[in-house]
Amino acid sequence: DTAVSQTPKYLVTQMGNDKSIKCEQNLGHDTMYWYKQDSKKFLKIMFSYNNKELIINETVPNRFSPKSPDKAHLNLHINSLELGDSAVYFCASSQGLAGGRETQYFGPGTRLLVL
Amino acid sequence: SQQGEEDPQALSIQEGENATMNCSYKTSINNLQWYRQNSGRGLVHLILIRSNEREKHSGRLRVTLDTSKKSSSLLITASRAADTASYFCATDVLGNAGNMLTFGGGTRLMVKP
Repeated sequence: DTAVSQTPKYLVTQMGNDKSIKCEQNLGHDTMYWYKQDSKKFLKIMFSYNNKELIINETVPNRFSPKSPDKAHLNLHINSLELGDSAVYFCASSQGLAGGRETQYFGPGTRLLVL
Repeated sequence: SQQGEEDPQALSIQEGENATMNCSYKTSINNLQWYRQNSGRGLVHLILIRSNEREKHSGRLRVTLDTSKKSSSLLITASRAADTASYFCATDVLGNAGNMLTFGGGTRLMVKP
């Protein structure tokens, strides 16, 4: 009955590989987000989707491609992984479009390590 | 630099003491939220305070907002070991569509039993 779930929890891979992270929310929310948390714990938004439409793209390299097959899912595909991509990636959701004015619900995170 | 910056970066106290964390931001906001992150976990929403509010309470939490100083504080009273976590402030910047939160770097709180 987890509200926002992500898979995998841990991902260790070689530089240059392509990988995907999946996120699902069962809260019936309209908006989903991807955040990146670096080693210093700074949390930065990458993307947000509302009802499968891209709302926010915060100057993320185009090696990162989000995909939302339906409003309950937001996946993140990363091509040609680089060392600097190592971080914890969090998925989140909020009920409406105004995610800045609402509670956001976070998944447990995916810890990505690029070797 | 970050829109929201927490101070101190780390705080260590004894159980039963109060913990105060501060957040300063640069740009006028619609509202400010505080989140908590336990080690290895996702963030959990604690409280939201709107720009026209000055203080809000939730259980042992008290949040204040001073828009003239562009700062907020989170007070945890009678702290417990279970309060050990990182605490983040997040702002919804005035003028944007309201669909984005900008997070600070967090305060790492350790409560010793």
